[in-house]
Amino acid sequence: AQKVTQAQTEISVVEKEDVTLDCVYETRDTTYYLFWYKQPPSGELVFLIRRNSFDEQNEISGRYSWNFQKSTSSFNFTITASQVVDSAVYFCALRGAQKLVFGQGTRLTINP
Amino acid sequence: GAGVSQSPSNKVTEKGKDVELRCDPISGHTALYWYRQSLGQGLEFLIYFQGNSAPDKSGLPSDRFSAERTGGSVSTLTIQRTQQEDSAVYLCASSLTASRVNTEAFFGQGTRLTVV
Repeated sequence: AQKVTQAQTEISVVEKEDVTLDCVYETRDTTYYLFWYKQPPSGELVFLIRRNSFDEQNEISGRYSWNFQKSTSSFNFTITASQVVDSAVYFCALRGAQKLVFGQGTRLTINP
Repeated sequence: GAGVSQSPSNKVTEKGKDVELRCDPISGHTALYWYRQSLGQGLEFLIYFQGNSAPDKSGLPSDRFSAERTGGSVSTLTIQRTQQEDSAVYLCASSLTASRVNTEAFFGQGTRLTVV
């Protein structure tokens, strides 16, 4: 069975702070992909990044960075120098054998 | 179309009535997914299609829920005899295929269903 756990239900920080969103997954598949999506107040889910199970290289894109550690089954997401526009619900997702499974989401609030 | 289109965007219905929710995926996408998001909750998987077939219906909450897809394109999610607990946002997503794990899914804006 596939499962994604985002233990942090809500996070609130002050603008310009760094914040890390945790994601832990379970799967028996040897080949799988992990994803992060952002859901702003408008409601539409926006794809941010994907990472395959064979590539543990960390990735940085502007203020966003992702840390994939297969040994701990984690795929954490860090926002550096957070901004108010980063406020949203962030979802981690896993795709193994075809079904795309989501975590419960972390509601991130960036206060000015 | 350019993105995944869902209609209606909002639906208010009386308890006990049937409703149909429509999803028009991105052109050329063979995989289509339905999810449900209750207020403040995560995404609950309902069903997915590869072409017109539904290999995984495991998420449908009850036999009041059904979905079909015709012509490998538009999908309809039908809820019969709606109950108040069916109130949620129903999200549709599509991807190039379900058989390649690296393909990301693109989501529509959702249909907000309110059962009164």
